[in-house]
Amino acid sequence: DIQMTQSPSTLSASVGDRVTITCRASQSIGNWLAWYQQKPGKAPKLLIYKASSLESGVPSRFSGSGSGTDFTLTISSLQPDDFATYFCQLYNDNLGTFGQGTKVEVK
Amino acid sequence: QVQLQESGPGLVQPSETLSLTCTVSGVSIRSSSSYWGWIRQPPGKGLEWIGHFFYSGNTYSNPSLKSRFTTSVDTSENQFSLKLTSVAAADTAVYFCARRDVVRGIFTHWGQGALVTVSS
Repeated sequence: DIQMTQSPSTLSASVGDRVTITCRASQSIGNWLAWYQQKPGKAPKLLIYKASSLESGVPSRFSGSGSGTDFTLTISSLQPDDFATYFCQLYNDNLGTFGQGTKVEVK
Repeated sequence: QVQLQESGPGLVQPSETLSLTCTVSGVSIRSSSSYWGWIRQPPGKGLEWIGHFFYSGNTYSNPSLKSRFTTSVDTSENQFSLKLTSVAAADTAVYFCARRDVVRGIFTHWGQGALVTVSS
């Protein structure tokens, strides 16, 4: 099974900060990676798919990069609405494995 | 506007079968561009993909749950269902149903989630 490992587990940041979250696959997955944002009590919201494609309606301060085994989600200037938990997901072929999540909290 | 809504018992006895239904609106469950899937999240923990399927066949499931996970479709009600057999306390979670886009491969629409507790 392919494992998805996110780091860090928790990230403390301030409004306006540049934030970077990493997701690593245990073997190459091409660019079949998505990023979701989840707030407490809510369903996840799709931000990025195919590693770097921005979902319609998602602010441009969110960006994704990477391919193969190493991927990054970047928030260029953290906004108050961005304090949440972020998950990566492998979705190639018949799989759907999620990373364990990264909580972005107020510093 | 695509919307999904989970429904079902909030409490299940250990060793019994967990059953949930997802009602879909805004798109036909027979849509050729849609897979239908389930994801769960134990309290305070991360997301776990359970599986997804095309309405007319082909089910893909998490190897760790494959033997306990089954799906069904009711096209007349535009619903699909999850059954998870032989549940234990570790199956306590919020269960989300979701639409997975066939072309892009990602879960684009999610239900609000339903908490299912496994306890006697």
